[in-house]
Amino acid sequence: RKEVEQDPGPFNVPEGATVAFNCTYSNSASQSFFWYRQDCRKEPKLLMSVYSSGNEDGRFTAQLNRASQYISLLIRDSKLSDSATYLCVATKAGNQFYFGTGTSLTVIP
Amino acid sequence: DAGVIQSPRHEVTEMGQEVTLRCKPISGHDYLFWYRQTMMRGLELLIYFNNNVPIDDSGMPEDRFSAKMPNASFSTLKIQPSEPRDSAVYFCASSIDRVASGYTFGSGTRLTVV
Repeated sequence: RKEVEQDPGPFNVPEGATVAFNCTYSNSASQSFFWYRQDCRKEPKLLMSVYSSGNEDGRFTAQLNRASQYISLLIRDSKLSDSATYLCVATKAGNQFYFGTGTSLTVIP
Repeated sequence: DAGVIQSPRHEVTEMGQEVTLRCKPISGHDYLFWYRQTMMRGLELLIYFNNNVPIDDSGMPEDRFSAKMPNASFSTLKIQPSEPRDSAVYFCASSIDRVASGYTFGSGTRLTVV
Protein backbone atom coordinates (compact mmCIF):
# COMPACT_ATOMS: atom_id res chain seq x y z
CA ARG A 1 0.00 0.00 0.00
CA LYS A 2 1.32 3.45 -0.84
CA GLU A 3 2.10 5.82 2.00
CA VAL A 4 0.00 8.57 0.45
CA GLU A 5 -2.81 8.14 -2.06
CA GLN A 6 -4.60 10.72 -4.15
CA ASP A 7 -7.23 10.69 -6.85
CA PRO A 8 -5.23 11.57 -9.98
CA GLY A 9 -8.17 13.31 -11.60
CA PRO A 10 -8.17 15.14 -13.89
CA PHE A 11 -10.48 17.71 -12.41
CA ASN A 12 -11.79 20.12 -15.03
CA VAL A 13 -13.71 22.99 -13.47
CA PRO A 14 -15.00 26.35 -14.75
CA GLU A 15 -13.55 29.60 -13.53
CA GLY A 16 -15.10 30.66 -10.27
CA ALA A 17 -15.97 27.15 -9.17
CA THR A 18 -15.06 25.57 -5.86
CA VAL A 19 -13.06 22.36 -6.03
CA ALA A 20 -11.86 20.01 -3.31
CA PHE A 21 -9.17 17.35 -3.28
CA ASN A 22 -8.71 14.62 -0.72
CA CYS A 23 -5.67 12.60 0.12
CA THR A 24 -5.28 9.61 2.45
CA TYR A 25 -2.16 8.56 4.31
CA SER A 26 -1.39 5.13 5.73
CA ASN A 27 1.02 5.85 8.58
CA SER A 28 -0.83 6.96 11.68
CA ALA A 29 2.48 8.21 13.07
CA SER A 30 2.78 10.85 10.36
CA GLN A 31 3.46 14.16 12.03
CA SER A 32 3.29 16.92 9.46
CA PHE A 33 1.34 17.42 6.27
CA PHE A 34 1.61 19.73 3.30
CA TRP A 35 0.14 20.56 -0.06
CA TYR A 36 2.53 21.25 -2.92
CA ARG A 37 1.72 22.65 -6.32
CA GLN A 38 3.55 21.55 -9.46
CA ASP A 39 3.19 23.31 -12.79
CA CYS A 40 3.88 21.44 -16.00
CA ARG A 41 7.60 20.72 -16.41
CA LYS A 42 8.44 22.63 -13.23
CA GLU A 43 9.49 21.67 -9.74
CA PRO A 44 7.01 21.18 -6.91
CA LYS A 45 6.52 24.28 -4.76
CA LEU A 46 5.12 24.45 -1.27
CA LEU A 47 1.54 25.71 -1.34
CA MET A 48 0.66 25.42 2.33
CA SER A 49 1.15 23.44 5.48
CA VAL A 50 -1.80 21.57 6.96
CA TYR A 51 -2.46 22.10 10.64
CA SER A 52 -4.63 20.00 12.94
CA SER A 53 -7.02 22.88 13.46
CA GLY A 54 -7.30 23.55 9.75
CA ASN A 55 -5.88 26.62 8.06
CA GLU A 56 -6.77 29.07 5.38
CA ASP A 57 -4.66 31.11 2.99
CA GLY A 58 -6.79 33.35 0.82
CA ARG A 59 -8.88 31.14 -1.45
CA PHE A 60 -7.21 27.97 -0.21
CA THR A 61 -8.30 25.97 2.84
CA ALA A 62 -6.50 22.88 4.12
CA GLN A 63 -7.86 20.45 6.69
CA LEU A 64 -6.57 17.40 8.50
CA ASN A 65 -8.65 14.52 9.83
CA ARG A 66 -6.37 12.33 11.93
CA ALA A 67 -9.10 9.86 12.88
CA SER A 68 -9.75 9.00 9.24
CA GLN A 69 -6.18 9.73 8.14
CA TYR A 70 -6.91 12.12 5.34
CA ILE A 71 -6.13 15.68 4.41
CA SER A 72 -8.06 17.93 2.09
CA LEU A 73 -7.53 21.05 0.02
CA LEU A 74 -10.38 23.35 -0.92
CA ILE A 75 -9.96 25.99 -3.60
CA ARG A 76 -12.65 28.65 -3.83
CA ASP A 77 -13.31 30.96 -6.76
CA SER A 78 -10.96 29.02 -9.06
CA LYS A 79 -8.69 31.03 -11.35
CA LEU A 80 -7.13 29.98 -14.61
CA SER A 81 -3.77 30.27 -12.87
CA ASP A 82 -4.78 27.56 -10.41
CA SER A 83 -4.37 24.96 -13.17
CA ALA A 84 -1.61 22.64 -11.97
CA THR A 85 -1.00 19.33 -10.28
CA TYR A 86 -1.50 19.33 -6.52
CA LEU A 87 0.61 16.95 -4.45
CA CYS A 88 -0.17 16.02 -0.89
CA VAL A 89 2.61 15.14 1.52
CA ALA A 90 2.81 13.24 4.79
CA THR A 91 5.96 12.99 6.84
CA LYS A 92 7.45 10.56 9.19
CA ALA A 93 10.30 10.82 11.65
CA GLY A 94 13.56 12.14 10.26
CA ASN A 95 12.17 14.89 8.10
CA GLN A 96 11.28 12.38 5.41
CA PHE A 97 8.39 13.27 3.12
CA TYR A 98 6.07 10.94 1.26
CA PHE A 99 4.42 12.48 -1.78
CA GLY A 100 1.19 11.47 -3.38
CA THR A 101 1.22 11.07 -7.16
CA GLY A 102 -0.75 14.27 -7.54
CA THR A 103 -4.18 15.47 -8.61
CA SER A 104 -4.42 17.32 -11.89
CA LEU A 105 -6.60 20.45 -12.00
CA THR A 106 -7.56 22.38 -15.10
CA VAL A 107 -9.60 25.54 -14.70
CA ILE A 108 -11.57 26.29 -17.84
CA PRO A 109 -12.48 29.81 -18.99
CA ASP B 1 18.81 33.49 -1.88
CA ALA B 2 19.45 31.64 -5.13
CA GLY B 3 17.44 28.61 -4.11
CA VAL B 4 18.43 25.01 -4.77
CA ILE B 5 20.56 24.85 -7.89
CA GLN B 6 20.74 21.75 -10.05
CA SER B 7 22.79 21.01 -13.12
CA PRO B 8 22.50 20.12 -15.87
CA ARG B 9 18.87 21.02 -16.68
CA HIS B 10 18.73 18.41 -19.41
CA GLU B 11 20.89 15.38 -20.10
CA VAL B 12 20.64 12.99 -23.01
CA THR B 13 23.00 10.06 -22.91
CA GLU B 14 23.46 6.65 -24.43
CA MET B 15 22.76 3.47 -22.53
CA GLY B 16 25.83 2.32 -20.64
CA GLN B 17 27.28 5.78 -20.13
CA GLU B 18 27.94 7.34 -16.74
CA VAL B 19 25.72 10.21 -15.73
CA THR B 20 26.43 12.67 -12.91
CA LEU B 21 23.79 15.04 -11.59
CA ARG B 22 24.74 17.95 -9.35
CA CYS B 23 23.00 19.89 -6.63
CA LYS B 24 23.78 22.92 -4.52
CA PRO B 25 21.38 23.23 -1.58
CA ILE B 26 20.27 26.44 0.06
CA SER B 27 22.91 27.70 2.45
CA GLY B 28 22.08 26.75 6.03
CA HIS B 29 19.79 23.87 5.11
CA ASP B 30 20.82 20.75 7.02
CA TYR B 31 18.89 18.24 4.94
CA LEU B 32 19.33 17.33 1.29
CA PHE B 33 17.09 14.96 -0.64
CA TRP B 34 17.29 13.33 -4.06
CA TYR B 35 13.98 12.43 -5.71
CA ARG B 36 13.09 10.85 -9.02
CA GLN B 37 9.79 11.65 -10.76
CA THR B 38 8.10 9.63 -13.48
CA MET B 39 4.56 9.67 -14.78
CA MET B 40 3.95 6.13 -13.58
CA ARG B 41 5.41 6.35 -10.07
CA GLY B 42 5.33 10.02 -9.16
CA LEU B 43 7.99 11.38 -6.82
CA GLU B 44 10.18 8.70 -5.28
CA LEU B 45 12.73 9.44 -2.58
CA LEU B 46 16.10 7.97 -3.53
CA ILE B 47 18.34 9.09 -0.68
CA TYR B 48 18.66 11.86 1.86
CA PHE B 49 21.48 13.42 3.83
CA ASN B 50 21.57 15.21 7.16
CA ASN B 51 24.63 17.37 7.79
CA ASN B 52 26.35 15.72 4.80
CA VAL B 53 25.83 12.19 6.17
CA PRO B 54 23.63 9.74 4.22
CA ILE B 55 20.73 8.77 6.47
CA ASP B 56 18.48 6.61 4.32
CA ASP B 57 19.40 5.24 0.91
CA SER B 58 16.74 2.54 0.82
CA GLY B 59 15.14 4.21 -2.18
CA MET B 60 18.20 3.89 -4.38
CA PRO B 61 17.09 1.45 -7.07
CA GLU B 62 20.25 -0.62 -7.33
CA ASP B 63 24.00 -0.54 -7.18
CA ARG B 64 24.19 1.46 -10.36
CA PHE B 65 23.08 4.49 -8.36
CA SER B 66 25.33 6.27 -5.89
CA ALA B 67 25.17 9.64 -4.14
CA LYS B 68 27.70 11.72 -2.27
CA MET B 69 27.71 14.91 -0.29
CA PRO B 70 31.35 15.92 0.27
CA ASN B 71 30.41 19.21 1.91
CA ALA B 72 27.41 21.27 2.97
CA SER B 73 27.12 23.04 -0.36
CA PHE B 74 27.37 20.24 -2.91
CA SER B 75 25.94 16.83 -3.68
CA THR B 76 26.10 14.47 -6.65
CA LEU B 77 23.94 11.61 -7.85
CA LYS B 78 25.71 9.24 -10.18
CA ILE B 79 24.30 6.51 -12.39
CA GLN B 80 26.78 4.04 -13.84
CA PRO B 81 25.98 2.41 -16.18
CA SER B 82 22.81 4.21 -17.22
CA GLU B 83 19.82 2.36 -18.69
CA PRO B 84 16.74 3.58 -20.61
CA ARG B 85 14.52 2.89 -17.57
CA ASP B 86 16.49 5.51 -15.65
CA SER B 87 14.90 8.20 -17.84
CA ALA B 88 13.07 10.55 -15.49
CA VAL B 89 13.25 13.96 -13.90
CA TYR B 90 15.62 13.99 -10.94
CA PHE B 91 14.96 16.61 -8.28
CA CYS B 92 17.16 17.72 -5.45
CA ALA B 93 15.53 19.39 -2.45
CA SER B 94 16.78 20.87 0.78
CA SER B 95 15.26 21.88 4.08
CA ILE B 96 16.25 23.32 7.44
CA ASP B 97 16.11 21.20 10.53
CA ARG B 98 12.40 21.63 11.08
CA VAL B 99 9.85 19.37 9.46
CA ALA B 100 7.21 22.09 9.46
CA SER B 101 9.27 24.26 7.15
CA GLY B 102 8.76 22.06 4.12
CA TYR B 103 11.19 21.37 1.31
CA THR B 104 12.53 23.64 -1.39
CA PHE B 105 13.11 21.88 -4.69
CA GLY B 106 15.60 22.63 -7.40
CA SER B 107 14.36 22.95 -10.95
CA GLY B 108 15.33 19.36 -11.71
CA THR B 109 17.42 17.49 -14.26
CA ARG B 110 15.50 15.86 -17.08
CA LEU B 111 17.45 12.72 -17.95
CA THR B 112 16.88 10.77 -21.14
CA VAL B 113 18.82 7.56 -21.70
CA VAL B 114 18.62 6.26 -25.26
